[in-house]
Amino acid sequence: DTEVTQTPKHLVMGMTNKKSLKCEQHMGHRAMYWYKQKAKKPPELMFVYSYEKLSINESVPSRFSPECPNSSLLNLHLHALQPEDSALYLCASSQDERDSGYEQYFGPGTRLTVT
Amino acid sequence: AQKVTQAQTEISVVEKEDVTLDCVYETRDTTYYLFWYKQPPSGELVFLIRRNSFDEQNEISGRYSWNFQKSTSSFNFTITASQVVDSAVYFCALRVINAGGTSYGKLTFGQGTILTVHP
Repeated sequence: DTEVTQTPKHLVMGMTNKKSLKCEQHMGHRAMYWYKQKAKKPPELMFVYSYEKLSINESVPSRFSPECPNSSLLNLHLHALQPEDSALYLCASSQDERDSGYEQYFGPGTRLTVT
Repeated sequence: AQKVTQAQTEISVVEKEDVTLDCVYETRDTTYYLFWYKQPPSGELVFLIRRNSFDEQNEISGRYSWNFQKSTSSFNFTITASQVVDSAVYFCALRVINAGGTSYGKLTFGQGTILTVHP
């Protein structure tokens, strides 16, 4: 089973709201990722968790706050977003982040609209 | 720094035609991995293939085939007898192992090629 699930599929939020995106995988992967993808662009890496610890933060604004409660779950907490944060947010996992040869498996994404 | 170039922004073909998607990469690292992903309109990126820099064997999987040539830094993808279901955005990506063997985990993506297959 190479499935990564994400909820919700769609999210509309105001600039003063607080919301969370959720990601889950049951493949025993020890690395999990958050990406942001704007229309007609490739995904941009935001965060990498390796063995439940944050290993990479690609200079993401603090209004995005990641959390990895356990090895299967990854959350992205959103607060005081801007309209330009509207995008497709993709979660991915791989067997291990330390060996760069492992492919990443992506979830279907959450399409976020900030009004 | 790494770079991946997919020069074809959009390709349009008629069903049953063969189509090749080009990918050229740049890196100074000698150890790296190359990937192809498919992103249908539903949004999910689907992993298609991984190739490491020491393995230049071409690969065929059903209607899909990949041609890896280190001499030209290219990793091209061919779909034979294309079908409407092949319509998607295809991304080529590169991942290197930094000096000392530590991995960064970062995929460098190309800009993607939009493939449209018409019935």
